[in-house]
Amino acid sequence: GAGVSQSPSNKVTEKGKDVELRCDPISGHTALYWYRQSLGQGLEFLIYFQGNSAPDKSGLPSDRFSAERTGGSVSTLTIQRTQQEDSAVYLCASSLEGTSAYEQYFGPGTRLTVT
Amino acid sequence: AQSVAQPEDQVNVAEGNPLTVKCTYSVSGNPYLFWYVQYPNRGLQFLLKYITGDNLVKGSYGFEAEFNKSQTSFHLKKPSALVSDSALYFCAVNGGSYIPTFGRGTSLIVHP
Repeated sequence: GAGVSQSPSNKVTEKGKDVELRCDPISGHTALYWYRQSLGQGLEFLIYFQGNSAPDKSGLPSDRFSAERTGGSVSTLTIQRTQQEDSAVYLCASSLEGTSAYEQYFGPGTRLTVT
Repeated sequence: AQSVAQPEDQVNVAEGNPLTVKCTYSVSGNPYLFWYVQYPNRGLQFLLKYITGDNLVKGSYGFEAEFNKSQTSFHLKKPSALVSDSALYFCAVNGGSYIPTFGRGTSLIVHP
């Protein structure tokens, strides 16, 4: 079946502009995660959605970052007033359930470059 | 709190030789442990996991990992490396929350 998809694959934007990144999880997966991966760094957790529960936003680095998940499926990560330090690869992942035992399935990522 | 350490930034091995990528963890309670692989310009791909049961876990592409509770380790192994195994490998641990903690990754380079 189809895996996790993300769009766009690459995004170049000017400092101060807003960007929207999209994630389509695997159908039937109730848990959805956003991560940020910078060069030479591991994965930085950003936000977690589980079903209809309130999202865990504890990883969002600033109030310029927000995310929503509509209908328990597609998710959008929005970065307002982008800064150069926001440049990174943004990864989305989904899993069957949001419990410890389930592995995550990752999308190919969106490479964001802020100039 | 939970944490995971991958002590080697890079591992070099000759094709055909056995490989080991190290991972140690810290977690309160029972650990759930995962290995993922990331090929260039791709997302992470699940390799294998330990939940409970046998300490030796077998996964995709001939990889296996051994859970060692006393040493709090979960090293990734393969008996005979291939050039195509060259990639970035991530260990992850989850101690009962819904958000796993990932290591910084280890770059595996297999030389022909």
